[in-house]
Amino acid sequence: SAVISQKPSRDICQRGTSLTIQCQVDSQVTMMFWYRQQPGQSLTLIATANQGSEATYESGFVIDKFPISRPNLTFSTLTVSNMSPEDSSIYLCSVGDGGGQDTQYFGPGTRLTVL
Amino acid sequence: GNSVTQMEGPVTLSEEAFLTINCTYTATGYPSLFWYVQYPGEGLQLLLKATKADDKGSNKGFEATYRKETTSFHLEKGSVQVSDSAVYFCALKLNSNSGYALNFGKGTSLLVTP
Repeated sequence: SAVISQKPSRDICQRGTSLTIQCQVDSQVTMMFWYRQQPGQSLTLIATANQGSEATYESGFVIDKFPISRPNLTFSTLTVSNMSPEDSSIYLCSVGDGGGQDTQYFGPGTRLTVL
Repeated sequence: GNSVTQMEGPVTLSEEAFLTINCTYTATGYPSLFWYVQYPGEGLQLLLKATKADDKGSNKGFEATYRKETTSFHLEKGSVQVSDSAVYFCALKLNSNSGYALNFGKGTSLLVTP
């Protein structure tokens, strides 16, 4: 399975600011995914990021709030814009295991607290 | 819609006890099923998976069997250890053209005491 790293591992931010989270994979992958895990809750898919194309967002998530970049096959960023306390969550990136994308492997997550 | 329901935690067991964490699912197609584990302070790790009915996934002494007739994928371990203390997530993914989202259950926290 791929080795996935995320930066930062955690951050505390002020309301109204933005934070960009980086996800680096040690191998080339077609698809990368961004999830959110709110406190005490399960994981929810935010968007799917393909290299060279616009990200595909799930219902309830919009590009203005969560812009995503995917400049190459090993890297992606997720920005949480104009943050509010409700954005306090763990944000995780994941990658699929091949053409079928049946299994996803997750990074360690970024724990975000918005004051 | 597609969803996963897990038993509510927290579950507290003594070391060497038998573990069952129930998971049932609702899906419009034929999903792949997964168990992920999240150890304290760490990210999600894939524990095991099964891609079709009657498949059994196993890893680290944990097992789960894909039961289509009962739409279940219960996680079991015969003898838990303190190091198994973690949050366990059941998840499903529909295959082929149904998108790439994993649908997760809410997670079950397990605490194993010495």
